[in-house]
Amino acid sequence: GESVGLHLPTLSVQEGDNSIINCAYSNSASDYFIWYKQESGKGPQFIIDIRSNMDKRQGQRVTVLLNKTVKHLSLQIAATQPGDSAVYFCAEILTGTASKLTFGTGTRLQVTL
Amino acid sequence: AAGVIQSPRHLIKEKRETATLKCYPIPRHDTVYWYQQGPGQDPQFLISFYEKMQSDKGSIPDRFSAQQFSDYHSELNMSSLELGDSALYFCASSSNRGGGVNPDTQYFGPGTRLTVL
Repeated sequence: GESVGLHLPTLSVQEGDNSIINCAYSNSASDYFIWYKQESGKGPQFIIDIRSNMDKRQGQRVTVLLNKTVKHLSLQIAATQPGDSAVYFCAEILTGTASKLTFGTGTRLQVTL
Repeated sequence: AAGVIQSPRHLIKEKRETATLKCYPIPRHDTVYWYQQGPGQDPQFLISFYEKMQSDKGSIPDRFSAQQFSDYHSELNMSSLELGDSALYFCASSSNRGGGVNPDTQYFGPGTRLTVL
């Protein structure tokens, strides 16, 4: 399939290292944030989310940090694996019925052996 | 678990033709969203429907229309296709019926790749 993110920022990490992907969001009123992973030719896949009343949330091998003061999100992936190679997008939403997602610029994660 | 289904997966059309994309949400999801993703771009919101009513509208051209049917599936109709309409079109669904831990979480389908020649 077509590559997603041909000109996106790229983060290269070695297998087993930790990855940190950063994202700046735009709307200070957004109250829900989601990280998506998108592999080539596929739809965005939900990874982890966080509400604006939290500053940290952990999942399996992933942690999301939220800094509302500077409108910054980060996704930390522990012990990065080759299967983690993909484009990662953060998305923000102002919660409500059928509210749209606003995506940030994606980051391509390349895992080297 | 059942996911969002989109059809067709690939579609090739000529300029000025019409196209219809279909989306079948996750069972018991009442809300569908359409996004367009150009090469190297992030997904851009087009339109959404909740309980068969249009609920939000984004950067959707007037040449495009969409609706949600009684079984909650949705169709995106695209007319007078232009070269610039070539993109991946994603449908996402969520449940806004008040149940679930994260009712706002949108789950994406595999997309339809539209190529306009």
